[in-house]
Amino acid sequence: RKEVEQDPGPFNVPEGATVAFNCTYSNSASQSFFWYRQDCRKEPKLLMSVYSSGNEDGRFTAQLNRASQYISLLIRDSKLSDSATYLCVVTYSAGNMLTFGGGTRLMVKP
Amino acid sequence: SQTIHQWPATLVQPVGSPLSLECTVEGTSNPNLYWYRQAAGRGLQLLFYSVGIGQISSEVPQNLSASRPQDRQFILSSKKLLLSDSGFYLCAWSGQGGTEAFFGQGTRLTVV
Repeated sequence: RKEVEQDPGPFNVPEGATVAFNCTYSNSASQSFFWYRQDCRKEPKLLMSVYSSGNEDGRFTAQLNRASQYISLLIRDSKLSDSATYLCVVTYSAGNMLTFGGGTRLMVKP
Repeated sequence: SQTIHQWPATLVQPVGSPLSLECTVEGTSNPNLYWYRQAAGRGLQLLFYSVGIGQISSEVPQNLSASRPQDRQFILSSKKLLLSDSGFYLCAWSGQGGTEAFFGQGTRLTVV
């Protein structure tokens, strides 16, 4: 079983739709959680951290469920520019190890 | 502010040739440093990470090696490249204690 798992997609949604991704992790000692965005042939860039209480940044909402060991990302009012691959990242061992999920590809269509 | 530099951006090398990719970080001290590889259409595979000068941990067996000769310099090397070494190589840094990571722009390596 992979340490961090994501549905690879692609998720094809129309503009304006709401879409949600989940990411499950296997190590209950995981400490920190992040969502990254990666555009085609580019480096991943931090989208948002995921806090225990959940957090929101504009159209993006991230949540953590420690009991079930998953994090989620909700995107409201999807834009064409949201088309990208979204990577879930989990850290272990006092934060020295960042482990990436395989990514979920989102395609927003007009 | 912190910045991370990685070069070259693209590289085409023949099978059996050596490799050296360099990554440097500015504006921070004692960062954790990482080398990842991403095959086309795939996720990121952690190759090496380092928590300090001369301290390298390898995550997968391979014909690659890494070195950290200075606090903010991380080098990925190979003595003889294989076709399977082709991919997108990404260097990243993070602070201590579970902070987010920041990536260099990556090196697209094609072994021919």
